[in-house]
Amino acid sequence: AQSVTQPDIHITVSEGASLELRCNYSYGATPYLFWYVQSPGQGLQLLLKYFSGDTLVQGIKGFEAEFKRSQSSFNLRKPSVHWSDAAEYFCAVGNNAGNMLTFGGGTRLMVKP
Amino acid sequence: GAVVSQHPSWVICKSGTSVKIECRSLDFQATTMFWYRQFPKQSLMLMATSNEGSKATYEQGVEKDKFLINHASLTLSTLTVTSAHPEDSSFYICSARDLIAGAPFYNEQFFGPGTRLTVL
Repeated sequence: AQSVTQPDIHITVSEGASLELRCNYSYGATPYLFWYVQSPGQGLQLLLKYFSGDTLVQGIKGFEAEFKRSQSSFNLRKPSVHWSDAAEYFCAVGNNAGNMLTFGGGTRLMVKP
Repeated sequence: GAVVSQHPSWVICKSGTSVKIECRSLDFQATTMFWYRQFPKQSLMLMATSNEGSKATYEQGVEKDKFLINHASLTLSTLTVTSAHPEDSSFYICSARDLIAGAPFYNEQFFGPGTRLTVL
């Protein structure tokens, strides 16, 4: 069965600092990996996705993620965090782009001024 | 990307009543729709998968008689919470995908904005 672990429930960073959110997955084949962001009371917005090819993927809002098969990880990064980045971030894995996704528990990001 | 809408965005109802939530794909044909439930400060849990024109497939532990799903057209799926109780209060999110070969958004999953249900 596929699973996703986001080890950090909460993370607080200062505005302008760099950010890395961790995601580890368990999947038997080549995974499809996603990062979503959710603002309070809102639905999910796709930040980026990895299907194949270059293991460093660029997303919206200045985010990037790196797929490391040897570590079963897909960590999300941003070089300089803005106050508007405060939100809940979910990592997800699927067996293809459109099938049922398994979500991690989420990481709540808080940004200090 | 493609757009998925949900209506209503929030609803408050009395215990024992039924509530219907609509999920629409606005610019693509949703051959499959997924319904998720999210409790406060928790992740999304898949409730059911519905394919247009056929019965929904429910995840283990989800009561199919309580959460009725209808996917009668390629752009609309509805989730009806029957005889709602306070423990059904949650954030319900749908997503949709198009499996028609050659479609612009083929096999990508797009999420709606969610519906907040509060049962008093």
